[in-house]
Amino acid sequence: AQSVTQLDSQVPVFEEAPVELRCNYSSSVSVYLFWYVQYPNQGLQLLLKYLSGSTLVKGINGFEAEFNKSQTSFHLRKPSVHISDTAEYFCAVRKDTGGFKTIFGAGTRLFVKA
Amino acid sequence: GAVVSQHPSWVICKSGTSVKIECRSLDFQATTMFWYRQFPKQSLMLMATSNEGSKATYEQGVEKDKFLINHASLTLSTLTVTSAHPEDSSFYICSARDRLGASYEQYFGPGTRLTVT
Repeated sequence: AQSVTQLDSQVPVFEEAPVELRCNYSSSVSVYLFWYVQYPNQGLQLLLKYLSGSTLVKGINGFEAEFNKSQTSFHLRKPSVHISDTAEYFCAVRKDTGGFKTIFGAGTRLFVKA
Repeated sequence: GAVVSQHPSWVICKSGTSVKIECRSLDFQATTMFWYRQFPKQSLMLMATSNEGSKATYEQGVEKDKFLINHASLTLSTLTVTSAHPEDSSFYICSARDRLGASYEQYFGPGTRLTVT
């Protein structure tokens, strides 16, 4: 079975500062990894995904994430955040062979302050 | 493209009544749809997976007689909460897989907030 741990429930940061949201996963099989963003009272929007190949993945809105197999991590980063980045961010994992059951982390609330 | 809608976006119902939530794929055919439940400030919990034309597969601990799921067409799945109680109040989100899309793609609806009084 797969599991996802988001180490920080809340991350406050000042505008234009860099940010890293941490995600660790556990799985006995190869997986796909995802980061989603959720704005208040809305569904989830895909930020980026890792399927295979290059371990550095670039997504929308200037976000990127790095897959580290040895540390089973997939941390999300942005070099300079904006007020509009304030939202809930979810890390998710799904096994890459058959099935579509996606396991989500508990979420990290990013709060960007002016 | 790849838009998923949900209706209603917000519903209030009285305890003991039933409420139906619709999930539609607007510009693609969805062979598989998923229903999630999200409590305030918590993550998404998969409730069930529905495939067009067949019975839904429920996750452990989800009452199939309480949360009725119907996936009658390639663009519509419905979740009916029967005999709703206040503890059923939650944010329900559906997602769908494009029949012709990549295997990893999953598109999410905007969610439906259910409040049971």
